[in-house]
Amino acid sequence: EAGVAQSPRYKIIEKRQSVAFWCNPISGHATLYWYQQILGQGPKLLIQFQNNGVVDDSQLPKDRFSAERLKGVDSTLKIQPAKLEDSAVYLCASSLGPLGETQYFGPGTRLLVL
Amino acid sequence: AQKVTQAQTEISVVEKEDVTLDCVYETRDTTYYLFWYKQPPSGELVFLIRRNSFDEQNEISGRYSWNFQKSTSSFNFTITASQVVDSAVYFCALGFYGNNRLAFGKGNQVVVIP
Repeated sequence: EAGVAQSPRYKIIEKRQSVAFWCNPISGHATLYWYQQILGQGPKLLIQFQNNGVVDDSQLPKDRFSAERLKGVDSTLKIQPAKLEDSAVYLCASSLGPLGETQYFGPGTRLLVL
Repeated sequence: AQKVTQAQTEISVVEKEDVTLDCVYETRDTTYYLFWYKQPPSGELVFLIRRNSFDEQNEISGRYSWNFQKSTSSFNFTITASQVVDSAVYFCALGFYGNNRLAFGKGNQVVVIP
């Protein structure tokens, strides 16, 4: 069974530029998550989708971050404009359902903002 | 408040030694679940184990073993006869049935010296 796929794996941009990340969850997983992991810390949830609806985006900096999952499968996370403090690894995860299910993570996208 | 504490930041061991990673959690919920994930240098979070709060049975999987003690709110992880491939950051995480937001610890960096 294929795992969670993410692209790109690495991205370097200058501050104030925009960037987008893509995630394809495990087949059949209805719930998708985006996490931000700053160096030396554990992942922090940015947004959680159930199919194509948002379940939790309370920790998403909505002035610059946006995410969508239009058809309930793939998802994109966008940052516009990027700031230096956005340098982090962005992890996508998926689970069968929204409550009490194990989350499986993708390889992440390492973002460096210069 | 939901909190996970992994006190040891970095642990270095010589190959074939055992290493134990401590995880202490705080929660007011009576039902919850705990995870250990491994994050190798490639960046992906690899699921290792899940333990539900109502199941205090310890578990062994190959060289890995887990000791869950509700009385002390701890979920410790031991790697027996460590190998270089065990070098990674290990995260303990706490989850809840009411939602699927995970509270991660800061991680333990394990370095196995050949």
